Amino acid sequence: KNEVEQSPQNLTAQEGEFITINCSYSVGISALHWLQQHPGGGIVSLFMLSSGKKKHGRLIATINIQEKHSSLHITASHPRDSAVYICAVNTDKLIFGTGTRLQVFP
Amino acid sequence: NAGVTQTPKFQVLKTGQSMTLQCAQDMNHEYMSWYRQDPGMGLRLIHYSVGAGITDQGEVPNGYNVSRSTTEDFPLRLLSAAPSQTSVYFCASSYSAGRTQYFGPGTRLLVL
Repeated sequence: KNEVEQSPQNLTAQEGEFITINCSYSVGISALHWLQQHPGGGIVSLFMLSSGKKKHGRLIATINIQEKHSSLHITASHPRDSAVYICAVNTDKLIFGTGTRLQVFP
Repeated sequence: NAGVTQTPKFQVLKTGQSMTLQCAQDMNHEYMSWYRQDPGMGLRLIHYSVGAGITDQGEVPNGYNVSRSTTEDFPLRLLSAAPSQTSVYFCASSYSAGRTQYFGPGTRLLVL
């Protein structure tokens, strides 16, 4: 069983929809990261969080340490949000999930 | 700042050939790492460095060597390429292992 599980693996949405991507992990962590990988391949860090909630523009990330679960929400989704979203957790190293592929259609 | 740069962007090798993937950063980060990304799998750590002169193995180090002679540069060497090393390779840097990671654009490697 992977130590970091993401769901769903693939997600299709219409422009304007509210999106939720989930990440569950089974190890003790010091922090959790959400990353975005665009079709061109580049990887960008969106959030690093160890408790509570963080917000940046239309993106919101939450984490529940007791339940070992994090969610990434996208409000008012747009076609430019189409990307692979990757969850990673900090133990003594970074452990990555396999990603959620999001496609937003106009 | 250029951030994290990687060269080449794309490379084709024959089995048994050797090559070096270059990675450089201009943010004065102490922590640098190499990952490989394969279809259906998460990014996997190959080697990492916590500062100049210090390197250590990650999850999948076999077939790869690294060195860190300067803070800026962290090259990855493939000693004798194998088809199983066909992958996309990412270099990343950060102030420390637990901090925000900055990724390079990636090198796509095909070993025939």
